[in-house]
Amino acid sequence: DAKTTQPNSMESNEEEPVHLPCNHSTISGTDYIHWYRQLPSQGPEYVIHGLTSNVNNRMASLAIAEDRKSSTLILHRATLRDAAVYYCILRRIQGAQKLVFGQGTRLTINP
Amino acid sequence: GAVVSQHPSRVICKSGTSVKIECRSLDFQATTMFWYRQFPKQSLMLMATSNEGSKATYEQGVEKDKFLINHASLTLSTLTVTSAHPEDSSFYICSARATQRDWETQYFGPGTRLLVL
Repeated sequence: DAKTTQPNSMESNEEEPVHLPCNHSTISGTDYIHWYRQLPSQGPEYVIHGLTSNVNNRMASLAIAEDRKSSTLILHRATLRDAAVYYCILRRIQGAQKLVFGQGTRLTINP
Repeated sequence: GAVVSQHPSRVICKSGTSVKIECRSLDFQATTMFWYRQFPKQSLMLMATSNEGSKATYEQGVEKDKFLINHASLTLSTLTVTSAHPEDSSFYICSARATQRDWETQYFGPGTRLLVL
């Protein structure tokens, strides 16, 4: 499985935008980029995913580099409820299609 | 979004006993379910993949005789921790996929916290 690299932790202030980076230099053409987040003592929650083009949904935006070797999850206006561990995961289109979680980025939001 | 439930949410058992954890997809049919384990301050570790009506596929290092998985219907998968020991204490999380479409997301349950005394 192709590997992703994320900063261990990040900190931001409430109501400000947050940009969470992810490097995936060994990504293949059949890998989707998925983002999940996990709040304390809960199961992970789907955030967003994409393949080549930038994506937007009600939770966040995903900006994917042209060479696809990196991506950025954007929370446009962070709230205290966005404090969580964010995981960037590559998922193959074919095959087992399992998710392999790395260490993720622990996001702290200051009031 | 799709809802996945787990039961029980937390369980305490004595060493040597077996514990069964249920994972249900409440409003969709799950052809594939996944079981993860998470130790404190660590990331999720995939234990096994189960497809409805067939044997589970275990990840390397996971004992299939210790962690029995049954996916008997399209809405229910169970994980049984047999002869549990204190080192099996962990947060167990299941997830489910609705279809075979390549973009389908995984929906996670709320987790089951197991404490073995």
